[in-house]
Amino acid sequence: DSGVTQTPKHLITATGQRVTLRCSPRSGDLSVYWYQQSLDQGLQFLIQYYNGEERAKGNILERFSAQQFPDLHSELNLSSLELGDSALYFCASSAGQGAYEQYFGPGTRLTVT
Amino acid sequence: GDSVTQMEGPVTLSEEAFLTINCTYTATGYPSLFWYVQYPGEGLQLLLKATKADDKGSNKGFEATYRKETTSFHLEKGSVQVSDSAVYFCALSELGGDTGRRALTFGSGTRLQVQP
Repeated sequence: DSGVTQTPKHLITATGQRVTLRCSPRSGDLSVYWYQQSLDQGLQFLIQYYNGEERAKGNILERFSAQQFPDLHSELNLSSLELGDSALYFCASSAGQGAYEQYFGPGTRLTVT
Repeated sequence: GDSVTQMEGPVTLSEEAFLTINCTYTATGYPSLFWYVQYPGEGLQLLLKATKADDKGSNKGFEATYRKETTSFHLEKGSVQVSDSAVYFCALSELGGDTGRRALTFGSGTRLQVQP
């Protein structure tokens, strides 16, 4: 158990809809990272937050957004969903904004039908 | 940009066989290198890491040495077990500006199947 929790575990929704994925980092970790894992794109970094502020962006679509709250949990919002958004979404946390080790949650499997 | 290349899988071995999974990287600076493992239905777990050239990371019988001259970080284990069956990801993280270490760049993953 990494100490990182993600909810829900599975999510099935229709095209055009909006969903919110939630992540709670390990106790004491200030950085949260979001990654997408799909069969065709592999594991890709989406976005990083550190202590409530956006710190780095990767291959995140404009339809996607995220935030980190004062209690350090983070939410990833996916809107106008397309079939190609079906993937595993992982959250990871680390102690600092530049810490080497990231600890991953179990992931949320999103299926868009 | 940064990139990581891993050998294609699946790799199928018999129990107690020697394992090598090749990983090479491209980076502009001085990356830290990692191996993560993903068991079926689970998230990624950090297996080992190396932060500078010639460092050797090791954990649970797995080893990898950071080779700057060949830009490689091959994963090895002397005797695999059925319980090692999983997907293995090589990754790098490079120092970047005011954000400190950047997020991880992953290879495509190599599935290992160990048969009894």
